[in-house]
Amino acid sequence: DAMVIQNPRYQVTQFGKPVTLSCSQTLNHNVMYWYQQKSSQAPKLLFHYYDKDFNNEADTPDNFQSRRPNTSFCFLDIRSPGLGDAAMYLCATSRAQGIAEAFFGQGTRLTVV
Amino acid sequence: SQQGEEDPQALSIQEGENATMNCSYKTSINNLQWYRQNSGRGLVHLILIRSNEREKHSGRLRVTLDTSKKSSSLLITASRAADTASYFCATVRGDSWGKLQFGAGTQVVVTP
Repeated sequence: DAMVIQNPRYQVTQFGKPVTLSCSQTLNHNVMYWYQQKSSQAPKLLFHYYDKDFNNEADTPDNFQSRRPNTSFCFLDIRSPGLGDAAMYLCATSRAQGIAEAFFGQGTRLTVV
Repeated sequence: SQQGEEDPQALSIQEGENATMNCSYKTSINNLQWYRQNSGRGLVHLILIRSNEREKHSGRLRVTLDTSKKSSSLLITASRAADTASYFCATVRGDSWGKLQFGAGTQVVVTP
């Protein structure tokens, strides 16, 4: 009965090779978030959706893009991964913008070789 | 940008003891939330406290919020080994379009 599902759990990609991480939800929440978390650090917000309205953080690298084709699915595209992009990527949903709890997936651990 | 700072960065206690961690933030907020993260896993929501609330309880958790000092604390009473995790505060700024931004976290180790 997983509610926010991230695939895959572990992803290995080559330096410079585009990679896509996926997130799906069964909660029918309007809000979705993508976070990047490096070892022993706080999750860093990359992107934020309210329905299809999209907001990226000012310091999110251009190398990162996101798509939300429908309520249930959201994708994170890394166009040319560098070694510094190795991290845990977390997807989360919420039923309302900022006034309700967020539900997180288990994350995708990205390794760049 | 990171909104919250947490203190301490790490905390080691024995089972049965209480664990207290603090979070400070910089701007006005709509609410503040606490999350737990087990190693290598996603975050789990613990408690949400609104800007007009001063204290909330949930089981063995007690959260306080002092908006005049821009700070919050999380108290875990009678800790258990299963409470070993990282704990993060997250804030939603009033002007932030609902963005949830996390502090640096406190790593808690509870030894049997």
